[in-house]
Amino acid sequence: DAGVTQSPTHLIKTRGQQVTLRCSPKSGHDTVSWYQQALGQGPQFIFQYYEEEERQRGNFPDRFSGHQFPNYSSELNVNALLLGDSALYLCASSFLYGGAYEQYFGPGTRLTVT
Amino acid sequence: AQSVSQHNHHVILSEAASLELGCNYSYGGTVNLFWYVQYPGQHLQLLLKYFSGDPLVKGIKGFEAEFIKSKFSFNLRKPSVQWSDTAEYFCAVNAEAAGNKLTFGGGTRVLVKP
Repeated sequence: DAGVTQSPTHLIKTRGQQVTLRCSPKSGHDTVSWYQQALGQGPQFIFQYYEEEERQRGNFPDRFSGHQFPNYSSELNVNALLLGDSALYLCASSFLYGGAYEQYFGPGTRLTVT
Repeated sequence: AQSVSQHNHHVILSEAASLELGCNYSYGGTVNLFWYVQYPGQHLQLLLKYFSGDPLVKGIKGFEAEFIKSKFSFNLRKPSVQWSDTAEYFCAVNAEAAGNKLTFGGGTRVLVKP
């Protein structure tokens, strides 16, 4: 049973560019959440997708957007990159209903903005 | 808004020593509590979780945590650590009224000397 997968593993972009990160959830999971983990800090919630819609959003600007596909996979898009967007981006999948709320994390995408 | 504090940023101890990591959260309603571990070069893994019932929960690899509601705390313990416990540990809270997004603490880096 494959866990949560993310691509790419590493990415280097220039300020002002746009980036797309991808996530495939654990088999059977219907909900994908994205987190940003800056160096030396805990992950911070960006947003969550369920049934192809954004359900919840953290304190991130509109430059951060996402999408969920019918197969539950998800993309995170960041426009007009800033140096401060350099971080590890984590995807987590879970069942939205069912009581467990346990989230399984992928290995992350390391984004470096220069 | 909910927040999570982990008081120790770095902990260094020798093998066989006991470990206790503090975690306090601020939220007055019903919460689900988690401890995640991130071993060097690996992704976040769930150590243990508390949803309801016995406030003393046991997780993988000999870890346990105690939920003390009156103190808004969920401290992690292990009686005797091993070198392989070297990792970063994150406490996380999910407030049931806030959906299933996780709010993480800043993490504690634990170094176990052989």
